[in-house]
Amino acid sequence: KQEVTQIPAALSVPEGENLVLNCSFTDSAIYNLQWFRQDPGKGLTSLLLIQSSQREQTSGRLNASLDKSSGRSTLYIAASQPGDSATYLCAVRAAVRRGSTLGRLYFGRGTQLTVWP
Amino acid sequence: DTEVTQTPKHLVMGMTNKKSLKCEQHMGHRAMYWYKQKAKKPPELMFVYSYEKLSINESVPSRFSPECPNSSLLNLHLHALQPEDSALYLCASSQAPPGYSNQPQHFGDGTRLSIL
Repeated sequence: KQEVTQIPAALSVPEGENLVLNCSFTDSAIYNLQWFRQDPGKGLTSLLLIQSSQREQTSGRLNASLDKSSGRSTLYIAASQPGDSATYLCAVRAAVRRGSTLGRLYFGRGTQLTVWP
Repeated sequence: DTEVTQTPKHLVMGMTNKKSLKCEQHMGHRAMYWYKQKAKKPPELMFVYSYEKLSINESVPSRFSPECPNSSLLNLHLHALQPEDSALYLCASSQAPPGYSNQPQHFGDGTRLSIL
């Protein structure tokens, strides 16, 4: 069964720092990997999606990398701001069962980020 | 703005009530999902519909009854819930197979459910 782990569980930094959030998964048979942001009591906002054939994706101050063979992804946040404070969830999309083409997400437990002024 | 709309945003109900959660999308997605999320935990998959047919039930208690009446709408009917069912219920959609397994899932903002 696919298991996704995120490190660290929580992170508190001053404004302006460059950050790295880590995600690892146990089964490399994935379709893609998504990074989400979740504010307290809200839904999930998709930040970046990396296909299994890709190595990285960038959006503004965010950069995500994927090493499928080693089962790892990192989310890099440049020049962090207080508005970046949220929980960041990593999820891999994989087949619901062996032989199926229907995909489902497997989530990590998230990294709770606090950026203080 | 989310392209997956969930109503209501908040729901408070007693253990004997019957209520329904609604999810709607108009992106032409044929796979739709229900998740349950407790505080400070990741979303847990409950049900998956593909082409309006139930494909996955993750051993969810029968007091939760999903329904997919058409390709744009997904309901979750609630009856005789327990206090531990209080959570954020998230709906998501994506393209469905064949050939769309690498597409992203789009999430709604969720319904915050409280059971008294």
